[in-house]
Amino acid sequence: AQKVTQAQTEISVVEKEDVTLDCVYETRDTTYYLFWYKQPPSGELVFLIRRNSFDEQNEISGRYSWNFQKSTSSFNFTITASQVVDSAVYFCALTFGNEKLTFGTGTRLTIIP
Amino acid sequence: DTGVSQDPRHKITKRGQNVTFRCDPISEHNRLYWYRQTLGQGPEFLTYFQNEAQLEKSRLLSDRFSAERPKGSFSTLEIQRTEQGDSAMYLCASSLTSVKFFGPGTRLTVL
Repeated sequence: AQKVTQAQTEISVVEKEDVTLDCVYETRDTTYYLFWYKQPPSGELVFLIRRNSFDEQNEISGRYSWNFQKSTSSFNFTITASQVVDSAVYFCALTFGNEKLTFGTGTRLTIIP
Repeated sequence: DTGVSQDPRHKITKRGQNVTFRCDPISEHNRLYWYRQTLGQGPEFLTYFQNEAQLEKSRLLSDRFSAERPKGSFSTLEIQRTEQGDSAMYLCASSLTSVKFFGPGTRLTVL
């Protein structure tokens, strides 16, 4: 069985602060993919990143960065110099191949101007 | 717009009525997924299709729920004899690889 845990239910930070969203996962599969999605107030889930289980390199995309550590089964997401537009619910998710996604319960991030 | 589209965006119905939602995936995507999301929760998997074949159904999908993808293109999700507990956002996603792209969802309210 696959499971994704996002222990932080809500986070509030002041604009321009850095913030890290935690994600811990469980799976028996040796090959799997991890994802982060953003759900703004409009409701549509927006794909941010995919990581496969064999690639532990950290990734940076602009103000976003991701830290994947297999040893601790974690895939954390950091936003640097946060902006009000980053306010949303962020979901971490896990899948095996092209199969269904298993989502965490999400972290609601509020950026205070 | 070449993304995933869903219709209607909002549906209000009375308990006991039947409702049907439609999803149009990204045109070249052969896989189509339905998820349900309730307030404060992550999306939960309901079912998925590869082309016109329904490959998996969650145990969340009771006998009142049925999904079809008759020609391997658009899909419909029907809920019969709706209950108040069916109130949720119903999300459709499509994919060609492991990356799923989601539509805007249909918000169902059962009174």
